[in-house]
Amino acid sequence: DGGITQSPKYLFRKEGQNVTLSCEQNLNHDAMYWYRQDPGQGLRLIYYSQIVNDFQKGDIAEGYSVSREKKESFPLTVTSAQKNPTAFYLCASSFDRGNYNEQFFGPGTRLTVL
Amino acid sequence: AQKVTQAQTEISVVEKEDVTLDCVYETRDTTYYLFWYKQPPSGELVFLIRRNSFDEQNEISGRYSWNFQKSTSSFNFTITASQVVDSAVYFCALSYMNYGGATNKLIFGTGTLLAVQP
Repeated sequence: DGGITQSPKYLFRKEGQNVTLSCEQNLNHDAMYWYRQDPGQGLRLIYYSQIVNDFQKGDIAEGYSVSREKKESFPLTVTSAQKNPTAFYLCASSFDRGNYNEQFFGPGTRLTVL
Repeated sequence: AQKVTQAQTEISVVEKEDVTLDCVYETRDTTYYLFWYKQPPSGELVFLIRRNSFDEQNEISGRYSWNFQKSTSSFNFTITASQVVDSAVYFCALSYMNYGGATNKLIFGTGTLLAVQP
């Protein structure tokens, strides 16, 4: 089945550690996105990528990094510079940049900093 | 500036009641799209509908209907004869084009938590 997978579902991190969240899609989508969701704040865009080997900062990129070496994969690293990383992280993808296509979402990763 | 407002933080209804979720948006663009997503307790966002700024026709899909009014910048969502399975957080979102036409970005509202009691 086509879809977006994210792993792990739950992730615990000690302060000062970097962690990487995985996002894979087999929908042949060009664009991929990372969002952060906090209670009562909706979704906020961290990074997005329209094409392989290119990505752009979203609204809250500080303390995060990404790579896009393959069309299917868009991993997100939460670095120790992110002051408040505990949140629910959602990955999404869509067809054709610039065509207002709906974004499809993965099941999310819940990150907790201990 | 682009903005989406969902003023209703939580709504609780009894099964079989009709319920309307409000969405008000702000944009200076003449071309934009509006979306509704459903987020059940499992966490994954499920796409419900996309509507472009040039199409103000209401849409109905089963028990779901959407009312788009550009005059009031609103895109409201009604669930008829609600069911327990409709319990979820519902997000309204606005998609706009960065100048240059290179980016399809979504701005989300803060969501409305709908609880349908049996």
